[in-house]
Amino acid sequence: SQQGEEDPQALSIQEGENATMNCSYKTSINNLQWYRQNSGRGLVHLILIRSNEREKHSGRLRVTLDTSKKSSSLLITASRAADTASYFCATENTGNQFYFGTGTSLTVIP
Amino acid sequence: DSGVTQTPKHLITATGQRVTLRCSPRSGDLSVYWYQQSLDQGLQFLIQYYNGEERAKGNILERFSAQQFPDLHSELNLSSLELGDSALYFCASSPPGTGGEKLFFGSGTQLSVL
Repeated sequence: SQQGEEDPQALSIQEGENATMNCSYKTSINNLQWYRQNSGRGLVHLILIRSNEREKHSGRLRVTLDTSKKSSSLLITASRAADTASYFCATENTGNQFYFGTGTSLTVIP
Repeated sequence: DSGVTQTPKHLITATGQRVTLRCSPRSGDLSVYWYQQSLDQGLQFLIQYYNGEERAKGNILERFSAQQFPDLHSELNLSSLELGDSALYFCASSPPGTGGEKLFFGSGTQLSVL
């Protein structure tokens, strides 16, 4: 299976704290993307990092990629209650297929 | 609103039955992807179409089939349904490109097999 894995499966933090979630994958990739899913809704794209990039920022999001370890991390700084959602990493392979990880469920307590 | 439309939103049916899920991609998007999301399996890639042609298959069962029509809408057909097929089925589309395009997801079809 090309599916990745997120770690931790669940994370609960206080509002204002930072949240870090990790993703590991198995195959060579073109890029890695992070998506957010509110309960029972469709996934929404957050950020993309290409295989030749090591770090990328977008607002309160910071993504790192280590292709030698086949891993990525997503950091959400100064979390808000509205950040409560599930977060998924997705790897895009050379055939333009997207494989998603198992997701991290984030709860931000007001 | 992602621009991807999925119908129906909810579907309740019985074991052994056949259902069809429909997806209209965003205007201009040529690729359509189908995913199955269940609690124990996460988000599983089923199949991808590009401009009417099947591009890749993932963990799609033989009881399932899909197609993409000339107007680029896609249908996922699920037959001989089993209890374990109960899940949220998502369609996603992406614009034409050489890679690095993001997926736009529909709001999903919740299938319940009783």
